Amino acid sequence: EDKVVQSPLSLVVHEGDTVTLNCSYEVTNFRSLLWYKQEKKAPTFLFMLTSSGIEKKSGRLSSILDKKELFSILNITATQTGDSAIYLCAAVNFGNEKLTFGTGTRLTIIP
Amino acid sequence: NAGVTQTPKFRILKIGQSMTLQCTQDMNHNYMYWYRQDPGMGLKLIYYSVGAGITDKGEVPNGYNVSRSTTEDFPLRLELAAPSQTSVYFCASTGGDPTGELFFGEGSRLTVL
Repeated sequence: EDKVVQSPLSLVVHEGDTVTLNCSYEVTNFRSLLWYKQEKKAPTFLFMLTSSGIEKKSGRLSSILDKKELFSILNITATQTGDSAIYLCAAVNFGNEKLTFGTGTRLTIIP
Repeated sequence: NAGVTQTPKFRILKIGQSMTLQCTQDMNHNYMYWYRQDPGMGLKLIYYSVGAGITDKGEVPNGYNVSRSTTEDFPLRLELAAPSQTSVYFCASTGGDPTGELFFGEGSRLTVL
C-alpha cells in the first residue's frame, strides 16, 4: 500500500527563521510529488516535482525531490506569520492514479 | 469560473441517517477524488474516479459509496451515518494528466451525533 510520511508533525519557530519540512514516500510506480499549504479551508497548491535534483522555487519557498532516497523537502526562508499553516505533501501513483497524502506538518510562526 | 463546488458546507446528521455530499466541477477534468480530513490530520482518500463510469476505492471506503455518471459530477453517499464519519470532506479534481495540480472544493463539515 502506498505510504507518505511527513516530519516533523508540528514545528514552532520565530519570525525570520528558516524551516525545512520533510516528506518521504513509498509508492509503487511513482510519478510525482505535490506540496500544498492549508490554512483554514481547502489546501492550496505550492509545487509539483517530477524530477530528482531540480529545485522548484517560489519567493521564499523552495522544494526539491530525491527519487533515489524517496523523499522531498520544502524550505521556507525568512518565515512570516502568514506562513503559519499545515503543509501537506502527496505522492502520485502512476499505475492507479491515486494521490496519497501525508499527515501534514503544522507550522506555527511566532511574531 | 466556479472550479469545484461542494454542497452542503455544513451538515449535522443523526446516527443511522443517510445523506449525499454533492461535488461538481466545470473544468472538464477526468480525475476526481473524495478525501476526508479529521482534526489535526492529513487527507485520507475515500474513493476516486478516472472518468465517467469508473470508480475505485481509496484507503477508507467503508461506509461510503460513489457514482460517476457524468464527467462533471461525483457525489459521495454516506449510508447509515456513524460518529466515526464526523469529519471534513473535500472533493478534488485534476485534468487529463493526474500529475497536475489538484483543484479542491471548499469542503463539507459533517457532524454525526
